[in-house]
Amino acid sequence: GESVGLHLPTLSVQEGDNSIINCAYSNSASDYFIWYKQESGKGPQFIIDIRSNMDKRQGQRVTVLLNKTVKHLSLQIAATQPGDSAVYFCAENLAGGGNKLTFGTGTQLKVEL
Amino acid sequence: DTEVTQTPKHLVMGMTNKKSLKCEQHMGHRAMYWYKQKAKKPPELMFVYSYEKLSINESVPSRFSPECPNSSLLNLHLHALQPEDSALYLCASSQEGGRGNQPQHFGDGTRLSIL
Repeated sequence: GESVGLHLPTLSVQEGDNSIINCAYSNSASDYFIWYKQESGKGPQFIIDIRSNMDKRQGQRVTVLLNKTVKHLSLQIAATQPGDSAVYFCAENLAGGGNKLTFGTGTQLKVEL
Repeated sequence: DTEVTQTPKHLVMGMTNKKSLKCEQHMGHRAMYWYKQKAKKPPELMFVYSYEKLSINESVPSRFSPECPNSSLLNLHLHALQPEDSALYLCASSQEGGRGNQPQHFGDGTRLSIL
């Protein structure tokens, strides 16, 4: 049978489509947020970050949106490719807490050909 | 390839063994971190070193002993571990540890199995 807690939320998208991965963060005092990508057998890889004085930031094929009112963060990936298949984590840094990151639960992105 | 190098990549040890995990970075970062990650779970912070001094210990059991010999190296000494300590151990670094708002860069981890 299945074990509770061993299944990540999964997002399946077609190659070429846009992906949106969502994250609800926990602490309204957090002032810095990062998205990481983790491929199987690898460590988390930095994708993009955003500070709390911004609500949008763009990188290459990726956009992060921050809504502080509802404590919500999203990662948009344009023209999703098979190489984007991975687990994506958001992480928050509490203001005044040094560089101590708290990670979200993660989302498995699967890109279908 | 990651700029944070961890060795070994895999380690199998008995509960009475003593072993060490090693981490190295040459980016000039002055903060280094140890995380533990169980399967299908996010990384959990264990220790933070800032300017070679331990600044955060997240109530980690004493069977895990960190060491920062210099600004480029970080070790994690293991002794009398339990089967539940089996996990992926990740090292990370950032420019400074005293201030937030800096990305942490991770190595690919050591996969630890306790028999």
